[in-house]
Amino acid sequence: DTEVTQTPKHLVMGMTNKKSLKCEQHMGHRAMYWYKQKAKKPPELMFVYSYEKLSINESVPSRFSPECPNSSLLNLHLHALQPEDSALYLCASSQVGEAKNIQYFGAGTRLSVL
Amino acid sequence: QKEVEQDPGPLSVPEGAIVSLNCTYSNSAFQYFMWYRQYSRKGPELLMYTYSSGNKEDGRFTAQVDKSSKYISLFIRDSQPSDSATYLCAMKKDSWGKLQFGAGTQVVVTP
Repeated sequence: DTEVTQTPKHLVMGMTNKKSLKCEQHMGHRAMYWYKQKAKKPPELMFVYSYEKLSINESVPSRFSPECPNSSLLNLHLHALQPEDSALYLCASSQVGEAKNIQYFGAGTRLSVL
Repeated sequence: QKEVEQDPGPLSVPEGAIVSLNCTYSNSAFQYFMWYRQYSRKGPELLMYTYSSGNKEDGRFTAQVDKSSKYISLFIRDSQPSDSATYLCAMKKDSWGKLQFGAGTQVVVTP
């Protein structure tokens, strides 16, 4: 079962709100990723967690705060976002090592910032 | 110059035709090559994964990698309207490297 589950599917928030995106996988993967995807563009990497530790932060603004509470869960906390942050936010997971090349994506959370 | 180039299309083909997609890349260090399919408003779904050069076939899908030309291809035989989607090529240098995506090609298969 290659399933990555993201909630919520849709989210509308104001610029002063605080919200969180959730991602869950039960494939035993120890690497998890957050991507941002704008319309008609490829996904852009934001963060990588490996063994529950942040290993890559692609210079993402601090209004995005990732958290990995355990090996199955990944959160993205959002605060004081801007309208240009509206996008599809994708979570992915993979094995580590050689098999880390195969990333499995969730369906995404479509975020609108008003 | 982008590391991975992919024509965004759209590519329109009649049902039953062969769909031919390709990407070129500039960095000879890429070793791992993938094709993802993404339906509108959904996450990318892995279709094919290839290490180094060669061909790989899975049902109606064939992936080819030509490292000497820095060129990868995906062929879809007997295309169906359900194949209408955006196809993203992606590649990596090593296990710890970042996944580099192409721009994605929008494919429309008309009945």
